[in-house]
Amino acid sequence: KNEVEQSPQNLTAQEGEFITINCSYSVGISALHWLQQHPGGGIVSLFMLSSGKKKHGRLIATINIQEKHSSLHITASHPRDSAVYICAFNNDMRFGAGTRLTVKP
Amino acid sequence: KAGVTQTPRYLIKTRGQQVTLSCSPISGHRSVSWYQQTPGQGLQFLFEYFSETQRNKGNFPGRFSGRQFSNSRSEMNVSTLELGDSALYLCASSLARGFTYEQYFGPGTRLTVT
Repeated sequence: KNEVEQSPQNLTAQEGEFITINCSYSVGISALHWLQQHPGGGIVSLFMLSSGKKKHGRLIATINIQEKHSSLHITASHPRDSAVYICAFNNDMRFGAGTRLTVKP
Repeated sequence: KAGVTQTPRYLIKTRGQQVTLSCSPISGHRSVSWYQQTPGQGLQFLFEYFSETQRNKGNFPGRFSGRQFSNSRSEMNVSTLELGDSALYLCASSLARGFTYEQYFGPGTRLTVT
């Protein structure tokens, strides 16, 4: 069993929809990261969190340590949000397989 | 401020050769991490350096090595290249200070081994 599971693998949404991407892990963590990778390959670090919730613009990340689960939410989605979203945890960055999000206008 | 830079951006090598990739972090960042991304395995962690010391290491063979210099610039070296080493190699620099954490990725070096 993988240490980290992301769902869904692929997600298509209409512009304006509320998006949720999930990340579940099976080991103890010190920190969880959410990354965004655009089609050109560039990676942007969105959040690092070890508890609670963080918000940046239209993006919200939450983590529940007891349930070993984190979610990334995108409010009022836009076509420019189309990317692969990846969760990773701990200092040795164990990565999920990613969620490919496509937002249609 | 200038972002993370990686050189070269593209590289073609032959099996058995060795290669050195370079990463210049954002000014003030002392931590540099390296990652390999392939279509089959996705993103995988190679190693992390902080103040010239390797702080974490992923599960890669000894052919993969790295180092960090006193100016925080980092290099990674792959010896005896194999076809499976063809990948996008990414580095990231980070800074953790109190409650603040920032991490920036470079554009990557695309290595093709023939």
